[in-house]
Amino acid sequence: DTGVSQNPRHKITKRGQNVTFRCDPISEHNRLYWYRQTLGQGPEFLTYFQNEAQLEKSRLLSDRFSAERPKGSFSTLEIQRTEQGDSAMYLCASSLVSGPSGNTIYFGEGSWLTVV
Amino acid sequence: AQKITQTQPGMFVQEKEAVTLDCTYDTSDQSYGLFWYKQPSSGEMIFLIYQGSYDEQNATEGRYSLNFQKARKSANLVISASQLGDSAMYFCAMRRPSGGYNKLIFGAGTRLAVHP
Repeated sequence: DTGVSQNPRHKITKRGQNVTFRCDPISEHNRLYWYRQTLGQGPEFLTYFQNEAQLEKSRLLSDRFSAERPKGSFSTLEIQRTEQGDSAMYLCASSLVSGPSGNTIYFGEGSWLTVV
Repeated sequence: AQKITQTQPGMFVQEKEAVTLDCTYDTSDQSYGLFWYKQPSSGEMIFLIYQGSYDEQNATEGRYSLNFQKARKSANLVISASQLGDSAMYFCAMRRPSGGYNKLIFGAGTRLAVHP
């Protein structure tokens, strides 16, 4: 499978616990994005990496959220001290910088988070 | 502010018939990109079709075509010969040049149900 891979696919956690999601982008894609999607809504942008550099962060990304892409390949999204409002699907996506395929952003299957 | 509007929360279509899903957008940018994604119940966002604001021809990808009317700021998705497997959520999205084409802005989506 050469698509965007995310794990875990589902996570149930107690309020106050920390959770971490991992994203493996399509090989050689240098751009990586994180989005959040709540029920009945379209995805909302959280943050974006080009290679290992985090170049843009949404105001939705509070201090409890941190994302890394240490070697410019896979990325992790950590949520500390989870709250019930964090319950959502977290989508990872990747793309190339330029070229015809650079217009296309490919998404993974998402990681569902339920905070109880 | 940039915005995507999908006015149809739900649509029904008979198998083998064509269906049009509406999308209007609001932007003051001259250069932008428009996307349609399909999201089945599994959660993955599947890229369907892309239209650049300067593209003179309407984009087509197999059974999908994008009816792009720039003056009206609409980018409707047409699915021809609907199949049962087309039942899913469909999202229209816009990518802005500001910030280096880094984020997609999504509409709220349209749920399509294909009946046999």
